[in-house]
Amino acid sequence: DTEVTQTPKHLVMGMTNKKSLKCEQHMGHRAMYWYKQKAKKPPELMFVYSYEKLSINESVPSRFSPECPNSSLLNLHLHALQPEDSALYLCASSQDPGGNTGELFFGEGSRLTVL
Amino acid sequence: AQSVAQPEDQVNVAEGNPLTVKCTYSVSGNPYLFWYVQYPNRGLQFLLKYITGDNLVKGSYGFEAEFNKSQTSFHLKKPSALVSDSALYFCAVRVPNQAGTALIFGKGTTLSVSS
Repeated sequence: DTEVTQTPKHLVMGMTNKKSLKCEQHMGHRAMYWYKQKAKKPPELMFVYSYEKLSINESVPSRFSPECPNSSLLNLHLHALQPEDSALYLCASSQDPGGNTGELFFGEGSRLTVL
Repeated sequence: AQSVAQPEDQVNVAEGNPLTVKCTYSVSGNPYLFWYVQYPNRGLQFLLKYITGDNLVKGSYGFEAEFNKSQTSFHLKKPSALVSDSALYFCAVRVPNQAGTALIFGKGTTLSVSS
């Protein structure tokens, strides 16, 4: 299994809603990532989890709250978002958080629209 | 700071002709370089990587890339382009040997292959 699975594929939410994005991998990878991507722009790193611990938070607003319940799962909790937060949210995983020689495996993304 | 640059927003090539998508890097120490492709409304797919060894790296779907240390470049190439190669291509760099770091992407190059 070489897949990173993200749910839901599409999400529409109001600015007062609370929702979550979910990501799952069963490749035994110990690093997991959240990226945000606007149309035709490069992915921007949000968070990195290494061995289930948050190792990088790229100054992301607190309305985005990541969670790594175990080595296979990564969540992104969303609350009080703004319309400019509408984007494609990509989850990725990699095998070797220490050596960094490995490629990242990306999911298909969750397309979020904030009304 | 580690970074990669993709000088072309768009590359146009006729089917059957060779293609090149350019990437230059700026890193301290030895770079770990990657190429990814993204089709519309999809996640990123890994094409190839350079960690060490031969300067010519072969990857998926007939793509290859040449690492040139003196020119700090890592251009993506294919001898004969297909219409199905039309997509958004990202060059990326990882910081070596720092736990929990992630890919840093170039701005992306749109490849358009005409029939």
